[in-house]
Amino acid sequence: LQVVETGGGLIQPGGSLRLSCAASGFSISGKYMAWVRQAPGKGLDWVSFFYSGGRTYYADSVKGRFTISRVNSKNTLFLQMNSLRVEDTAVYYCARVETSRPSVFWFDLWGQGTLVTVSS
Amino acid sequence: SYVLTQPPSVSVAPGQTARIICGGDNIGSNSVHWYQQKPGQAPVLVVYDDRDRPSGIPERFSGSNSGNTATLTIRTVEAGDEADYYCQVWDGSGDHVVFGGGTKLTVL
Repeated sequence: LQVVETGGGLIQPGGSLRLSCAASGFSISGKYMAWVRQAPGKGLDWVSFFYSGGRTYYADSVKGRFTISRVNSKNTLFLQMNSLRVEDTAVYYCARVETSRPSVFWFDLWGQGTLVTVSS
Repeated sequence: SYVLTQPPSVSVAPGQTARIICGGDNIGSNSVHWYQQKPGQAPVLVVYDDRDRPSGIPERFSGSNSGNTATLTIRTVEAGDEADYYCQVWDGSGDHVVFGGGTKLTVL
């Protein structure tokens, strides 16, 4: 039971990058999934949430620049990041979401993260 | 937007009880979840839905939530509990996940 992120790297400001999160041991089609990031030396910062029925949610700081998606046949979650800024530099974690009732969500499985560095 | 406030640091001697608080406006009406993160590692869920523990998490970890404060309590603290701890809620008014700023637990 795990999720593994790939796709991080060094990118110039204004550039684009796509992160992938490959899940194993469970099917992402039956789960909500999310991306959470952590800037160097800082706390956890929620990025995006893939909800049931294809609904998606984004932090204000990334709305309009980042897009979360998934391909169920590949059991993989993606994060397309465009117009990257220096302040987007962080380790990006993929996380499985669990819920017990509406409006109650937590992250019960995390990957090891992939580092995105935005710098000229 | 909803804000969760945690003390930057808490220190406790081995064998004692550590209490890490998470403050928020009427947080008792939300469900609070807690994560432990050790240096260089991914976060790990230690308490969910205010007071439930995932399998594999010791009974020494417990949670409570009432009024404007949620609390993570770690009894009989061990050196291996030294880590950063984060609280988290879902802000339904803005459809956002909110994390507290994190508390560094130091075992003296």
